[in-house]
Amino acid sequence: GAGVSQSPSNKVTEKGKDVELRCDPISGHTALYWYRQRLGQGLEFLIYFQGNSAPDKSGLPSDRFSAERTGESVSTLTIQRTQQEDSAVYLCASSLQPGETGNTIYFGEGSWLTVV
Amino acid sequence: GENVEQHPSTLSVQEGDSAVIKCTYSDSASNYFPWYKQELGKRPQLIIDIRSNVGEKKDQRIAVTLNKTAKHFSLHITETQPEDSAVYFCAAIGGYGGSQGNLIFGKGTKLSVKP
Repeated sequence: GAGVSQSPSNKVTEKGKDVELRCDPISGHTALYWYRQRLGQGLEFLIYFQGNSAPDKSGLPSDRFSAERTGESVSTLTIQRTQQEDSAVYLCASSLQPGETGNTIYFGEGSWLTVV
Repeated sequence: GENVEQHPSTLSVQEGDSAVIKCTYSDSASNYFPWYKQELGKRPQLIIDIRSNVGEKKDQRIAVTLNKTAKHFSLHITETQPEDSAVYFCAAIGGYGGSQGNLIFGKGTKLSVKP
């Protein structure tokens, strides 16, 4: 596809249920990021994948959060036993080698999660 | 790991005036500093970026300056227009070890341009 694709675009779930959010990066992009953005707040780093290197998981807020990525393709963010404070938009981004000239980091539209 | 501070959190200017947003970073090895604009309900979009081997970069009404010694960088918008109203985020890419390539954001500045 032309851009970073995320699904679902909207998800309403009951407290205590597990949810999976999916990100399809731009083809060929080795770097993939997940961020959480609560309403009216900033971009909170969650996890970063780069090629075959070990992911940087330092931003995951608790052991209820986990993410996987198969090679340099799709990534899934899983939130177990959801809580109301997990309500936010979850943004995925991807790029070629980050920081290199011309390698813009592009964002998807986000997955809006509401926990009721 | 990298830490990015951004000021001010809100900024209100009259149309035609200039706006300046400032950020500091902690990782001296950081080498890439993008700025993103996020309109209400939309995804962040890159508006300008600068690498650590450059001190200033301009693109029409937008400019970014970088002071590596002081570890701060700034966004300058001249001749502001109502459509510049949005939240602006600065960011830095970590340069060391496990944080290399990681993109950390400041908390954002809500810019309002009054007609």
